[in-house]
Amino acid sequence: SQTIHQWPATLVQPVGSPLSLECTVEGTSNPNLYWYRQAAGRGLQLLFYSVGIGQISSEVPQNLSASRPQDRQFILSSKKLLLSDSGFYLCAWKEGADQPQHFGDGTRLSIL
Amino acid sequence: DAKTTQPTSMDCAEGRAANLPCNHSTISGNEYVYWYRQIHSQGPQYIIHGLKNNETNEMASLIITEDRKSSTLILPHATLRDTAVYYCIVRAFNTDKLIFGTGTRLQVFP
Repeated sequence: SQTIHQWPATLVQPVGSPLSLECTVEGTSNPNLYWYRQAAGRGLQLLFYSVGIGQISSEVPQNLSASRPQDRQFILSSKKLLLSDSGFYLCAWKEGADQPQHFGDGTRLSIL
Repeated sequence: DAKTTQPTSMDCAEGRAANLPCNHSTISGNEYVYWYRQIHSQGPQYIIHGLKNNETNEMASLIITEDRKSSTLILPHATLRDTAVYYCIVRAFNTDKLIFGTGTRLQVFP
């Protein structure tokens, strides 16, 4: 069966520091991959999605970037974090056009 | 994608059926209705989805009205572990974006 892993589960970073969050999926090949952010008390906002290695689409312009170096690996990065980057970051995957997205357990990021 | 409207919160007694409504009056012909739930501090969990026919799986049933302008998620025998925020989402078949609203906070009580 397919599984999705995100790490770390929680992260506390100072303003201006870099960021790297990793997501990997097992048990499938060529999945679509997604990064979402959920601010406190709000709904999920799609940040990036990828339909293949090296293919990244950005939904919201900001100081975050995403990369997909391998088929089942999706990385969310920032060179300099802002206070507004705090939130709950979720990675998701899906297999086919009419299949649902499945989410990981998320990373709770706090910026100090 | 069509917008959805859900009640902010609902209560349900343990063991009873929980019926969660969703209005999507502007839904178009190629848009599916998806339901997810999010238990506190966890990622959203997929529950069920449908286009126009009613659907049932091991978690829930989805009833879609004939005009497709509304739907109801039914948890047949709610348990305390079903306490969560439930999101109704409408998504076109050929797009990848799930637009999450604020959902319905379901509280199951003993």
